[in-house]
Amino acid sequence: QKEVEQNSGPLSVPEGAIASLNCTYSDRGSQSFFWYRQYSGKSPELIMFIYSNGDKEDGRFTAQLNKASQYVSLLIRDSQPSDSATYLCAVHLTGGFKTIFGAGTRLFVKA
Amino acid sequence: KAGVTQTPRYLIKTRGQQVTLSCSPISGHRSVSWYQQTPGQGLQFLFEYFSETQRNKGNFPGRFSGRQFSNSRSEMNVSTLELGDSALYLCASSLNPGELFFGEGSRLTVL
Repeated sequence: QKEVEQNSGPLSVPEGAIASLNCTYSDRGSQSFFWYRQYSGKSPELIMFIYSNGDKEDGRFTAQLNKASQYVSLLIRDSQPSDSATYLCAVHLTGGFKTIFGAGTRLFVKA
Repeated sequence: KAGVTQTPRYLIKTRGQQVTLSCSPISGHRSVSWYQQTPGQGLQFLFEYFSETQRNKGNFPGRFSGRQFSNSRSEMNVSTLELGDSALYLCASSLNPGELFFGEGSRLTVL
């Protein structure tokens, strides 16, 4: 079992719709969770982090965490073509000094 | 504030050679992590350094090594290159665990 699993997609949504990206992780000791966005040919950039169960909102982005289910999600409201990218879920293992990434979900937002 | 700087950006080597990649972190960031990114495997953790100490290492052969200097700059070395080492090597620095700021990467091609 991979440490961080994501549906590779591609996920295609129309402009203005909500895009929902999901991620599960295997290590219950994981303490902090991150979403990175990677445009084609570019490096990953951090867009959201969440440490506690529940929702965290930042503009059009909402991260959701459920530690009991070992599940993290990212919602993108009012999706724009510029949101088309690969979204990487990442988990930091406290005390392990490493951040593990999922394989990423490719998102396409159709104009 | 300058971002993470990686050199060289592109390099071509032949099998059996060795390569050294350099990374200058964001000023004030003492943690530096290295990742290998390939289309098939995604982002794979190589190692993490903090204050010149390697705190964790990923599942890579001993041909992959690294170090960090007192000014937080880091280098990684790959010896006896194999075709499968062709990849984008990303360096990331951080102030807080998991909140990684990536450089543009060094793209290595092994012929």
